[in-house]
Amino acid sequence: KQEVTQIPAALSVPEGENLVLNCSFTDSAIYNLQWFRQDPGKGLTSLLLIQSSQREQTSGRLNASLDKSSGRSTLYIAASQPGDSATYLCAPRPRKWTSGSRLTFGEGTQLTVNP
Amino acid sequence: DAGVTQSPTHLIKTRGQQVTLRCSPKSGHDTVSWYQQALGQGPQFIFQYYEEEERQRGNFPDRFSGHQFPNYSSELNVNALLLGDSALYLCASSQTPLAGVPQYFGPGTRLTVT
Repeated sequence: KQEVTQIPAALSVPEGENLVLNCSFTDSAIYNLQWFRQDPGKGLTSLLLIQSSQREQTSGRLNASLDKSSGRSTLYIAASQPGDSATYLCAPRPRKWTSGSRLTFGEGTQLTVNP
Repeated sequence: DAGVTQSPTHLIKTRGQQVTLRCSPKSGHDTVSWYQQALGQGPQFIFQYYEEEERQRGNFPDRFSGHQFPNYSSELNVNALLLGDSALYLCASSQTPLAGVPQYFGPGTRLTVT
């Protein structure tokens, strides 16, 4: 059974800082990993999808890396802004076709960027 | 291009009642998955529908059932509601049931059981 841990659970930083969010997972047999953000009481917004064959994926100020063999992914946010304040969730997806689409989530990292 | 939509936004029910939640997938998507998110937790997978059939199921009791219609929209039904069923219910859609494509989530339905 896949288990996902995200560290830290909460993070508060001043505006402009570069920061790293960590995600670890117990079963390295994944097909890909998706990062999401969630604003309070809202749905999930997809940020990045990184395939198991990739080591990095970038979108604007966001960069996600994946080390499948060690069961780790990181999300790097450059020049953080107050609008980045949200909970960030990572979700690895298994390789087995019978459970290929189900996402397993950790509890997320709650980020607060202070002006 | 409309994204994933869900209705209703909020719902209050009494313990023992039944509830139906609805989801319309993103245009061009044929696969719908449902997740339950308790307060302060990450979403938990309930089940996935493709070609009007339940294809995968998470660790949820039979009180949770669903349906997918020919237009790919979906319903989640929960019978005999318990206080512990209070949560945000999220619907996600994708172009295929395969693992290689991203899932897109709707805004969720907040269910409160009293």
